[in-house]
Amino acid sequence: DTEVTQTPKHLVMGMTNKKSLKCEQHMGHRAMYWYKQKAKKPPELMFVYSYEKLSINESVPSRFSPECPNSSLLNLHLHALQPEDSALYLCASSPVGQGRGYTFGSGTRLTVV
Amino acid sequence: QQQVKQSPQSLIVQKGGISIINCAYENTAFDYFPWYQQFPGKGPALLIAIRPDVSEKKEGRFTISFNKSAKQFSLHIMDSQPGDSATYFCAASKATDSWGKLQFGAGTQVVVTP
Repeated sequence: DTEVTQTPKHLVMGMTNKKSLKCEQHMGHRAMYWYKQKAKKPPELMFVYSYEKLSINESVPSRFSPECPNSSLLNLHLHALQPEDSALYLCASSPVGQGRGYTFGSGTRLTVV
Repeated sequence: QQQVKQSPQSLIVQKGGISIINCAYENTAFDYFPWYQQFPGKGPALLIAIRPDVSEKKEGRFTISFNKSAKQFSLHIMDSQPGDSATYFCAASKATDSWGKLQFGAGTQVVVTP
């Protein structure tokens, strides 16, 4: 299995809603990432988990809350988002360290209304 | 400050032509240079990657050329096909970044006309 699976593929939520994005991989990768991508821009790193522990938080607002329940799963909990948070949210995984062997999921297209 | 500069922003090439995308970096600690291909609504997919001890790497119609002294690398797409129409991102990372942080270029939108 060489895939990173993200659900849902599309999500529309109001600014008072609470929702979660899910990511799963079975490649044995122990580093997992959340990226945010706006239209016509490169992905921007949000969070890095290594061995299920949060290693990097790129100064992301607290309305985004990551969680890594086990080595295969990564969640991103969303609460009180703003319309400017609308974007493609990408999950990725890799062997720990060095930026090699990245595999990205297809992303969740999030629209905040 | 963008650590990897990519050009052009977009390009249009006829079917069968050559697409060339250029990237430049400043940090000599970078030691891994991947290219990603992204179709609309999909995540980036690794296309080809190179390390600085190699000057050229070819995989099918895709070739990376690497110039360590100039701190530049480029992607050549030979015999471009309409199915190659996508956004291409160059990236760089360094072994001292324990958590594998990729520095992306701004991206190039490639359109291959029939």
